[in-house]
Amino acid sequence: EIVLTQSPGTLSMSPGERATLSCRASRSLNSNYLTWYQQKPGQAPRLLIYSTSNRDTGVPDRFIGSGSGTDFTLTISRLEPEDFAVYYCLHYGGSPLFTFGPGTKLDIK
Amino acid sequence: EVQLVESGGGLVKPGGSLRLSCAASGFTFSSYTMNWVRQAPGKGLEWVSSISSSSSGIYYRDSVKGRFTISRDNAKNSVYLQLNGLTVEDTAVYYCTRDGVFKRLDYWGQGTLVTVSS
Repeated sequence: EIVLTQSPGTLSMSPGERATLSCRASRSLNSNYLTWYQQKPGQAPRLLIYSTSNRDTGVPDRFIGSGSGTDFTLTISRLEPEDFAVYYCLHYGGSPLFTFGPGTKLDIK
Repeated sequence: EVQLVESGGGLVKPGGSLRLSCAASGFTFSSYTMNWVRQAPGKGLEWVSSISSSSSGIYYRDSVKGRFTISRDNAKNSVYLQLNGLTVEDTAVYYCTRDGVFKRLDYWGQGTLVTVSS
C-alpha cells in the first residue's frame, strides 16, 4: 500500500509570497499519475496539476508542479488571496486504486 | 459543459442502506471510468470505488468491500453507489468523479451528504 505524506500540515503565508507544498510517497511513484487538487470550504476539489507538472485548463501559471520518484512539490510562485485553501496530492496505482495525501492547509498569516 | 449531479444522501441509522445516484451530462458518459470519493466532516479525501466504462472493471477500497456496490447505466448516463451495512465511519460527503486522461479525476459533482447516526 502506498502512503502519501504531505507537509507541512498547515502553512501560514502572506499574499505575494512563494509557497512550497510537499507530497512524499512511501515508495517510488509513476509520475504520470500524480495529481494535485485545491479545495475551498464547502466546495468540491478542483483539479490543478496532472501528471506531476501539467496545469489543467484555466489554471494560472503561478501553480507549478514538479518532482519524481518519491518526492513531489506544488509551488505557488506568488500567492493571491484566492489561493488560500487546502491542497491534496493524489496517486493512481496499487491498492487502494487511488490514494490521497492528508492535505496541506494554506492559510493567511 | 460537463456536469455531475449527485443525489440520494440523507440520514440513516447504523446498519441501514442508501442508494446514491450521479447523473452525468456534457460528455460521452459511456466512454469514461467513473469513481466515488468521500470526505468525512473536517477530514481529507478518500477514494471509495471505481467502475470502468463497460462495467467490466469494478474496484473498492477494503473498508467498503462487501458492503458497497457500484454500478452504472450508460443508457441513463448515470452511476450509482449502493451503500449497505452503514456505520458511523461512513458519514461523509460522497462525490462522483470522472476518470480522465492520466487517471486524473477531472470533474467532480457537488457531493451528497450521508449521515449515519442513531
